[in-house]
Amino acid sequence: NAGVTQTPKFQVLKTGQSMTLQCAQDMNHNSMYWYRQDPGMGLRLIYYSASEGTTDKGEVPNGYNVSRLNKREFSLRLESAAPSQTSVYFCASRKTSPGAEAFFGQGTRLTVV
Amino acid sequence: TQLLEQSPQFLSIQEGENLTVYCNSSSVFSSLQWYRQEPGEGPVLLVTVVTGGEVKKLKRLTFQFGDARKDSSLHITAAQTGDTGLYLCAGGADSNYQLIWGAGTKLIIKP
Repeated sequence: NAGVTQTPKFQVLKTGQSMTLQCAQDMNHNSMYWYRQDPGMGLRLIYYSASEGTTDKGEVPNGYNVSRLNKREFSLRLESAAPSQTSVYFCASRKTSPGAEAFFGQGTRLTVV
Repeated sequence: TQLLEQSPQFLSIQEGENLTVYCNSSSVFSSLQWYRQEPGEGPVLLVTVVTGGEVKKLKRLTFQFGDARKDSSLHITAAQTGDTGLYLCAGGADSNYQLIWGAGTKLIIKP
């Protein structure tokens, strides 16, 4: 059982370049999330998708776009990377029920130079 | 806006000592979860508490949900080096879609 698979694990971009982070889950979860994690700031929600076909902004959506391609896949795109987007990015999924556990991918360490 | 404040942000203690980490809010949560994250990995769930006043034990770890469901604590007895990691609390929001995350407590247990 793979759980949440996130690619790539590491990426270095030049300012202005674009890239897409891929995420897939095999647990039949409705809800999927993209977070960024910076030292001392915990997990900050970028976008989430409560179900297939819907996406909503989180706390820090500027500079990002997402696509919920199907129930399994939720991608995050940086159209024009900026140094402020240097961070570790996590994809997560969970059932949409009270107290449901969030399952995380291994993270993508992104550096924008 | 619902917020969760975790304290302390950083804790470094000797193996065998006891410690408590706190997660506080002015908001009521339907559930409160604790996760542990190791370097290079995503967070992994330790426990979920849903009832005010609830206490759960996981070996040497004791988790408590406040009576008013606004706060929680994690107590570790006789800490071991394997307990080293980042501990995150997360509150279940009304919508069920989102989790509200604390900033985390970085715990280092020295041998």
